[in-house]
Amino acid sequence: SQTIHQWPATLVQPVGSPLSLECTVEGTSNPNLYWYRQAAGRGLQLLFYSVGIGQISSEVPQNLSASRPQDRQFILSSKKLLLSDSGFYLCAWRPPTGLAGGQIQETQYFGPGTRLLVL
Amino acid sequence: GQQLNQSPQSMFIQEGEDVSMNCTSSSIFNTWLWYKQDPGEGPVLLIALYKAGELTSNGRLTAQFGITRKDSFLNISASIPSDVGIYFCAGRWPGGGYQKVTFGTGTKLQVIP
Repeated sequence: SQTIHQWPATLVQPVGSPLSLECTVEGTSNPNLYWYRQAAGRGLQLLFYSVGIGQISSEVPQNLSASRPQDRQFILSSKKLLLSDSGFYLCAWRPPTGLAGGQIQETQYFGPGTRLLVL
Repeated sequence: GQQLNQSPQSMFIQEGEDVSMNCTSSSIFNTWLWYKQDPGEGPVLLIALYKAGELTSNGRLTAQFGITRKDSFLNISASIPSDVGIYFCAGRWPGGGYQKVTFGTGTKLQVIP
């Protein structure tokens, strides 16, 4: 079966410090990978997605970046954190693009999340 | 970008009551999705809708794809304490592609035993 891991679970960082959040998926190959941010009381905002190693699409211009050094590893980084970067960061995976029974496979499987507090 | 407005933002209900929530947009969507997020966890997909007018059930949950393609509804019948959580609508719009899903702001549901 497939599992998705995120770490750390919680992080408190000072403004201006760097950031590295890691997400790994087990039990599948060539997944589509996603990074979302959920601010308090808000919905999920798509930050980055990746359809393969080294392929990153950015949805929101900001001081964050993403990398996919291996097929099942997705990393979210920042060189200098801002107060506004605080939030709940969720990684998700989905099977590669394709149809199942004539319909797009919609299910994204989310990780447990990382709660980031920037002070 | 595309925006989804959910209402109500939060609701308190008595155990056993039925619940209704909705999601609206000023733009047409191709697909409507409903997710539930338990406290401190990632969202889980409940129901996916693909055609205008479609009505789909998952246990006590029923969701509908509005005929205008600009809205969707989720109903929960005979609520129980484990229904507590945040319910998100989400959707894919024409031209958005396979990867991009817009999420609503969520409806926070609290069930009073």
